[in-house]
Amino acid sequence: AQSVTQLDSHVSVSEGTPVLLRCNYSSSYSPSLFWYVQHPNKGLQLLLKYTSAATLVKGINGFEAEFKKSETSFHLTKPSAHMSDAAEYFCVVSRGGGADGLTFGKGTHLIIQP
Amino acid sequence: ETGVTQSPTHLIKTRGQQVTLRCSSQSGHNTVSWYQQALGQGPQFIFQYYREEENGRGNFPPRFSGLQFPNYSSELNVNALELDDSALYLCASSLIENTEAFFGQGTRLTVV
Repeated sequence: AQSVTQLDSHVSVSEGTPVLLRCNYSSSYSPSLFWYVQHPNKGLQLLLKYTSAATLVKGINGFEAEFKKSETSFHLTKPSAHMSDAAEYFCVVSRGGGADGLTFGKGTHLIIQP
Repeated sequence: ETGVTQSPTHLIKTRGQQVTLRCSSQSGHNTVSWYQQALGQGPQFIFQYYREEENGRGNFPPRFSGLQFPNYSSELNVNALELDDSALYLCASSLIENTEAFFGQGTRLTVV
């Protein structure tokens, strides 16, 4: 079994300040982990993925995430927020191979204040 | 743009009716998955098709069924629609050996 907990339903930051979106996972096997972003009325876009290589993963648009097995965490960060980052962010876990599908967290709504 | 296209974009159906949603996979992808995203929630896995057969299913009743065609496009069929079936339905394509999934923009289904 696998599950994902996104610790904040909403996060609000000022433009130009750092972003931290928190995610904890539970998995009975070595998981693959992802962050997806969903802008209003848009589909899901992959930001980055961890698949048992380097624990610090760099993604698109300046985002990165660190896999910490001891803490079962996969937090998403960005050094400086931009107005265009305002969106819904989903932390996702997969067993790999995909037959069980992707398990999504409930999402974190990121608000960027001008 | 991911190359995954879904149709229609919006749909309104009456409770008890049946609906078919369609998805064209990204070129070269042999696996398609369907997800249901209720308002304010994360997507939930419905099922996955590989080589025209269902090879994985989430916690959804049998009235949710699907097809995958030789060109890897897919359909999601829902029978006996219920009000709670109102949601955004997302299709994702991938290679079976790579779990990275590419999503379409979804079909917004409203059941009244």
